[in-house]
Amino acid sequence: GAGVSQSPSNKVTEKGKDVELRCDPISGHTALYWYRQSLGQGLEFLIYFQGNSAPDKSGLPSDRFSAERTGGSVSTLTIQRTQQEDSAVYLCASSSSLILNTEAFFGQGTRLTVV
Amino acid sequence: DQQVKQNSPSLSVQEGRISILNCDYTNSMFDYFLWYKKYPAEGPTFLISISSIKDKNEDGRFTVFLNKSAKHLSLHIVPSQPGDSAVYFCHQTGNQFYFGTGTSLTVIP
Repeated sequence: GAGVSQSPSNKVTEKGKDVELRCDPISGHTALYWYRQSLGQGLEFLIYFQGNSAPDKSGLPSDRFSAERTGGSVSTLTIQRTQQEDSAVYLCASSSSLILNTEAFFGQGTRLTVV
Repeated sequence: DQQVKQNSPSLSVQEGRISILNCDYTNSMFDYFLWYKKYPAEGPTFLISISSIKDKNEDGRFTVFLNKSAKHLSLHIVPSQPGDSAVYFCHQTGNQFYFGTGTSLTVIP
């Protein structure tokens, strides 16, 4: 597809279970970012990947969160032992470069609900 | 530490009037800014940008102003239309893509 694709679009999980969220960036985009938006809040940076460089994980809220990007393309965000406060919309974005003056393209997001 | 702030969480404007959305930043190292627009259940989409070499950038009904000395930028929408109702995020490029907290704009028909 032409845009950033995220799956699933909605996920309901029980507290304590692990979840995996997937992001397919735009083909050729070297930079990939994960954000989350909790209800009534802004966009919270989680992690970014740039090419083959080590990812910047400084935004991950706890060690229950991890992400990987295989082959410089698809990325998976994993949340272990989910908690209710993890409920949010998780947004993935990609851009053609981490050179500053470029826009990011966002996916539709995955709405995660932890019950 | 919130490096990009949008102090107005919401704004209501009559159709046809001007909408002004504001954003303040603290880090002058990265002087390129973008505004994104977000509809419910959709990801943000790029709207307009401005770099430090300019103090104004205009695209149709949308104009962004940058005041570097005040570390402030604003987005003007004129005339406002009901379809402009959305959440607007100010975004400063840099190592960690700081976004503002967003301003929810409602344009009343």
